[in-house]
Amino acid sequence: SQTIHQWPATLVQPVGSPLSLECTVEGTSNPNLYWYRQAAGRGLQLLFYSVGIGQISSEVPQNLSASRPQDRQFILSSKKLLLSDSGFYLCARGRGSGNTIYFGEGSWLTVV
Amino acid sequence: AQSVTQLDSQVPVFEEAPVELRCNYSSSVSVYLFWYVQYPNQGLQLLLKYLSGSTLVKGINGFEAEFNKSQTSFHLRKPSVHISDTAEYFCAVSDRDTGNQFYFGTGTSLTVIP
Repeated sequence: SQTIHQWPATLVQPVGSPLSLECTVEGTSNPNLYWYRQAAGRGLQLLFYSVGIGQISSEVPQNLSASRPQDRQFILSSKKLLLSDSGFYLCARGRGSGNTIYFGEGSWLTVV
Repeated sequence: AQSVTQLDSQVPVFEEAPVELRCNYSSSVSVYLFWYVQYPNQGLQLLLKYLSGSTLVKGINGFEAEFNKSQTSFHLRKPSVHISDTAEYFCAVSDRDTGNQFYFGTGTSLTVIP
């Protein structure tokens, strides 16, 4: 089976602190990988996607960045968090039939 | 970029009644269409998808959706809802040619009332 691991599951960070959310995928090679943010009442916002190692496309300019150091690893980072960065962050992978994407269980970030 | 509009942010419905959740997309190119369900504090699960062929697509848990190209719509329906269907539902679209970017609507919160 193809599994997506996200950690940490829950994180509380002060404003101005750094962030690192990690996502790893099992059971598939060269997947498309995605980071979405789900803010309260706002649906899902595509932040970044990657079609291969070192290849990152940014959808929304902001103080977040993403990296893909390995084929099955996707990292979301920030040097200085803002209050508005709070939300539910979802990692997803693609490359199924019809380019279906599948989601991990998400990481809750609260910036205080 | 694609955009997806879910016209209803909240839909309350009584148990065993039918429901329709609306989704419209804006695109001048061919697309794949999806519906996902999200239960509280969980990730999203795929309900169904339209890739090609029959415009009526059947998914899990008794849901179905109909692709209407002329109206650029992909509405989700269920003839008789259950308490366990209470969840957030998201419509999504991806471009057929690239398929790399997925765009989601803002979601519809379905509440089934006993």
